[in-house]
Amino acid sequence: EVQLVESGGGLVQPGGSLRLSCAASGFTFSSYEMNWVRQAPGKGLEWVSYISSSGSTIYYADSVKGRFTISRDNAKNSLYLQMNSLRAEDTAVYYCARGATGWDGYNYFDYWGQGTLVTVSS
Amino acid sequence: SYVLTQPPSVSVAPGQTARITCGGNNIGSKSVHWYQQKPGQAPVLVVYDDSDRPSGIPERFSGSNSGNTATLTISRVEAGDEADYYCQVWDSSSDLQFGGGTKLTVL
Repeated sequence: EVQLVESGGGLVQPGGSLRLSCAASGFTFSSYEMNWVRQAPGKGLEWVSYISSSGSTIYYADSVKGRFTISRDNAKNSLYLQMNSLRAEDTAVYYCARGATGWDGYNYFDYWGQGTLVTVSS
Repeated sequence: SYVLTQPPSVSVAPGQTARITCGGNNIGSKSVHWYQQKPGQAPVLVVYDDSDRPSGIPERFSGSNSGNTATLTISRVEAGDEADYYCQVWDSSSDLQFGGGTKLTVL
């Protein structure tokens, strides 16, 4: 059974940093692309970042570019999101999502974790 | 940036058919995927590649995509289908995009 379990969320002050983790199990982690998706309270879904299976290709949403860093450790079956210079508008539930490839060659998400809440507030 | 437009809400009586649209410029040239999200839960993939269903998703869920509109159709709607639904594409100019979401209410 595919499982994705996020951790590392919490309350942080504006300008602070936080590192999220996603522990994967039930599949060959090193063979899959991975993503982070977030959802602000009462709002819709927003894609945050993508990383290829090897970690060699990375993309970010414009809203987090230069502040967030995605990474993975295939030996530990883990995905990470380092978040720096946090702002109030980064407050959201952050989901880890496994990538699958559509007919157009781009990602969609076939499995999601339960999410971890990040609150940026003073 | 590429914009996906969904109606904020759709209402349907049990047993009827719900159609949720996702509009975008020439969206028919892109692969469209749909997610269902119930309150307090993570999203679940219900349709991928315009019209394919993951294992475990009822046949009542179907999708189509042509021109400037993609549609998620839910036949014989049940109370348990009440949820928010999001469409998603990847656009080369704006990376991965979600629609704003549609709240399906079962009357």
